[in-house]
This record gives sequence, C-alpha cells and structure tokens, in this order.
Amino acid sequence: SQKIEQNSEALNIQEGKTATLTCNYTNYSPAYLQWYRQDPGRGPVFLLLIRENEKEKRKERLKVTFDTTLKQSLFHITASQPADSATYLCALDDNYGQNFVFGPGTRLSVLP
Amino acid sequence: DVKVTQSSRYLVKRTGEKVFLECVQDMDHENMFWYRQDPGLGLRLIYFSYDVKMKEKGDIPEGYSVSREKKERFSLILESASTNQTSMYLCASLGGGPGQPQHFGDGTRLSIL
Repeated sequence: SQKIEQNSEALNIQEGKTATLTCNYTNYSPAYLQWYRQDPGRGPVFLLLIRENEKEKRKERLKVTFDTTLKQSLFHITASQPADSATYLCALDDNYGQNFVFGPGTRLSVLP
Repeated sequence: DVKVTQSSRYLVKRTGEKVFLECVQDMDHENMFWYRQDPGLGLRLIYFSYDVKMKEKGDIPEGYSVSREKKERFSLILESASTNQTSMYLCASLGGGPGQPQHFGDGTRLSIL
C-alpha cells in the first residue's frame, strides 16, 4: 500500500538556523509533491508544489527538492523564525487529486 | 482567495445521534473532500466527490456517508455516532486542473460522548 513518512514527529531548532524536513514515500508514482503548513486548530495551508520533472523549487525562505529515484523530498526553511513554528505536511498527487495522499506531518518548533 | 467554510468549529454530540457536518466552498471547484485528523495518524480520507451527486469512498468510509446536492456544498453524515468518531474533521476543495493545491476549511472538532 502507499506510504508516506516524514522524518520525525517533532523537530526543535534555534532561531536563525535552517530547518530541514524530510518526506519519504513508497508504492507511489506522484506527478506532484506539495508541502502544507498547519497551525494548531486550523486547516492546512498550501506552501509549495514541485513537479516530478523538477529538482528544486524556491519561494522566499523556502526551498523544496524532489528526488524521484530516492522517493524523497526535502523541505528547507532558511533563517528560521519563531513564527515558522507549525506542523508541516507533505502530500503526493498523482494527477487530478483523486489519489491525494498526505504524510503524518512534522511539528517544527523554532526556539528564540 | 478560495474560501472553504465549515459550519461549526466545535461540536458535542451523544452516541447514537445522527450528526451532520457541512462544508461550503466559493470557488466553483469540482472536487471536494472530507478527512479526519487524529494525533499520530495524520489526515485520513473519508470520502471525496468529483461532481454533483458523485461520491467515492476514501480510506475509512465505514460509519460515514456524504451528500453533494449542489456543487458548492459537501456534507458529511455520521449515521449513528460512536465515541471512536471523536476527531478533527477537515473539508477541502480542489479545482483548476492537475497539480493544484487543496484548499482546507478550519475544521470541526467533534466530540462524541
């Protein structure tokens, strides 16, 4: 069956450092990989999408890489801030969203 | 901006009750989804709908049903609520072709006593 793992349930880092979150998957051939942010008591909010033929995508302090050989995506937040503290979810989409699969999430805490 | 609105943020019901959770989106999206989210289990798909009156079972449909009579509205029904259905329920919509993100509501935290 399809499976997505995110590197750890929780990650603590110091303000100003780069946070790196990992998403690994098996038994899936995604056309797209997406990252979402979820704050407590709120629904997930879309951050970035990367296509299967793209290696890297950037948006401001965020960077996503996608390695379809390793079946892995890395999500980086550079110059992290306490306001970046949240749960981050990766999601795989085969094409039209009818086989959307979410990872369990990593709770990031950025300490001042 | 897409807006997905869930009818209640918090809901408390008793076992055996029939429970309705409502979701409305304002972007004319074809696809709508119901998930439940539990600690350590992540988001699990209950049902989705790709058009009016169409529905598909997700990973955990047992004990739930859905209704989509109008494009903008997708309802989740707990036919006879049980305590193991206590959870956070999230609705999402998706439109605009391949590779688009899902847009989520803020969730309904449902407690079954």
